[in-house]
Amino acid sequence: EADIYQTPRYLVIGTGKKITLECSQTMGHDKMYWYQQDPGMELHLIHYSYGVNSTEKGDLSSESTVSRIRTEHFPLTLESARPSHTSQYLCASRAVWGEQYFGPGTRLTVT
Amino acid sequence: QKEVEQDPGPLSVPEGAIVSLNCTYSNSAFQYFMWYRQYSRKGPELLMYTYSSGNKEDGRFTAQVDKSSKYISLFIRDSQPSDSATYLCAMSVYNTDKLIFGTGTRLQVFP
Repeated sequence: EADIYQTPRYLVIGTGKKITLECSQTMGHDKMYWYQQDPGMELHLIHYSYGVNSTEKGDLSSESTVSRIRTEHFPLTLESARPSHTSQYLCASRAVWGEQYFGPGTRLTVT
Repeated sequence: QKEVEQDPGPLSVPEGAIVSLNCTYSNSAFQYFMWYRQYSRKGPELLMYTYSSGNKEDGRFTAQVDKSSKYISLFIRDSQPSDSATYLCAMSVYNTDKLIFGTGTRLQVFP
């Protein structure tokens, strides 16, 4: 069973606010990922990390930023939230054979 | 054309039916294949992964890979209402860090 956690699970926030979505894993995986998923739609990779101090942009352009100061922690930040940021954000980490384990997700609504 | 194609469904079956979910792909370099189950408003849950052609069985689930046809399948035997979810296929090239996901097939099992 994967041990990957995301907080908060749900967040409703006003336009212009700064938010940080937390993701942590206890499996010691080096590689971690952030995906964005709208309801009923496919997953889009927005950020990933190879390890500590490594961050890369994904396939879908995003106004968010990420940091990786510790192996187990990979937070995502939006400096100024907008209604277009309303979505579900999923964090994942990669195991040995390439399979990824996902957290429960954060459902963000920006009003 | 997408690298991975998956029929979005919905697929509606009676309880106890055998379900077949399928994905086709175009990149012959894909070597690792995964199936995820995603319940509404939750993160994807890894069901099975395999890196070879042939069948892999786990309980009521069987994953099948046909590399010559670039076709993978997930079979669910004795389907239950609790199997109602979206099923995502995913695949990757050996020793790369990204997964390519299908768009997901929504399955509904009715009592």
